[in-house]
Amino acid sequence: AQSVTQPDIHITVSEGASLELRCNYSYGATPYLFWYVQSPGQGLQLLLKYFSGDTLVQGIKGFEAEFKRSQSSFNLRKPSVHWSDAAEYFCAVYGQNFVFGPGTRLSVLP
Amino acid sequence: DGGITQSPKYLFRKEGQNVTLSCEQNLNHDAMYWYRQDPGQGLRLIYYSQIVNDFQKGDIAEGYSVSREKKESFPLTVTSAQKNPTAFYLCASSLPGASDYTFGSGTRLTVV
Repeated sequence: AQSVTQPDIHITVSEGASLELRCNYSYGATPYLFWYVQSPGQGLQLLLKYFSGDTLVQGIKGFEAEFKRSQSSFNLRKPSVHWSDAAEYFCAVYGQNFVFGPGTRLSVLP
Repeated sequence: DGGITQSPKYLFRKEGQNVTLSCEQNLNHDAMYWYRQDPGQGLRLIYYSQIVNDFQKGDIAEGYSVSREKKESFPLTVTSAQKNPTAFYLCASSLPGASDYTFGSGTRLTVV
């Protein structure tokens, strides 16, 4: 069965600091992996996705993620966080349908 | 501009009442989905429809019903049988079998 875990419920970073959000998945085949961002009271916006090929994926807003098959991980990174990055972030795996992780809420200190 | 419209943005319901959430898309997508979002639980699939006049139960369909009479519309009814309906509800659409979902901006339902 597919599953996604995001170990960090809430992360706080200072503006300008680097960021890494963790995601681990369980899936029987080669996974399709996604990161979404959600601002309060809004829908989900796709940041990036991995299907195959290069394991380092570039997304919008300066985000990137690295697929590591040996660790069943797909961690999201950003070298310098902006105050507007404060939001909730969801990792997801796609098989027949999406399975979403529980989300990580990011707070950014000025 | 194409997109998905969910209405209303906020909805209040008295216990024991049914309520219907609207989801309309003009993306010409065949597939549509309803998700429920609770804090710390991510998104859980309620119902989905791959084509008009057909829909399937998701992981948490109990207490909910849907219809798909038109390609553009996929309304969700939260019935009185749903024990804990207070949540944020998201609608999405996609081409059949595609993973590129477009999400609406959600409806927050509160039972009072």
